[in-house]
Amino acid sequence: GDSVTQMEGPVTLSEEAFLTINCTYTATGYPSLFWYVQYPGEGLQLLLKATKADDKGSNKGFEATYRKETTSFHLEKGSVQVSDSAVYFCALRRSDYKLSFGAGTTVTVRA
Amino acid sequence: DVKVTQSSRYLVKRTGEKVFLECVQDMDHENMFWYRQDPGLGLRLIYFSYDVKMKEKGDIPEGYSVSREKKERFSLILESASTNQTSMYLCASRLQGENQPQHFGDGTRLSIL
Repeated sequence: GDSVTQMEGPVTLSEEAFLTINCTYTATGYPSLFWYVQYPGEGLQLLLKATKADDKGSNKGFEATYRKETTSFHLEKGSVQVSDSAVYFCALRRSDYKLSFGAGTTVTVRA
Repeated sequence: DVKVTQSSRYLVKRTGEKVFLECVQDMDHENMFWYRQDPGLGLRLIYFSYDVKMKEKGDIPEGYSVSREKKERFSLILESASTNQTSMYLCASRLQGENQPQHFGDGTRLSIL
């Protein structure tokens, strides 16, 4: 079935470092793709999305480009802050319109 | 802002008990969801409701049931709790429509002893 695979964490980096979290998908057709973020003690929030190939989603300095050639939707941020410490989930919308989530990547940013 | 409220942040129950987890949303959303979140597994869909009194099994419904008597409230029921149901439970809601985002509650961490 339709699914996503994202890089395992945890990821620890210093403030102002570059962050990449890899996400690849397996699906029939071209599903909508999402990144959700979960800050400590909170539920998930939608960070960004892309609904078709070559779309770029962006929000709060994060970006991800929907690449059908490589079936990928990697999340990037050029300069992270301590406040970006969270768990990040890649997700896709399946053909039954429900979401499939990746395992989550824990990111810790040190001052 | 959409508010999805889960009744408890932490809950401890005993094996064999009947457990109710409550979720309320204040934005008149048609669709509501229950997930469980486990380390290394991400979120897995337990049940889904697309409107009042409508429900559909998700990917892991065994051992669970749900109730949606009112549009704003979606309850998850563990009929006879077992230790393998110890987990973080997340409720979400969204407007009807394939590109509508899901809005999540803060979660209930349930421990079954």
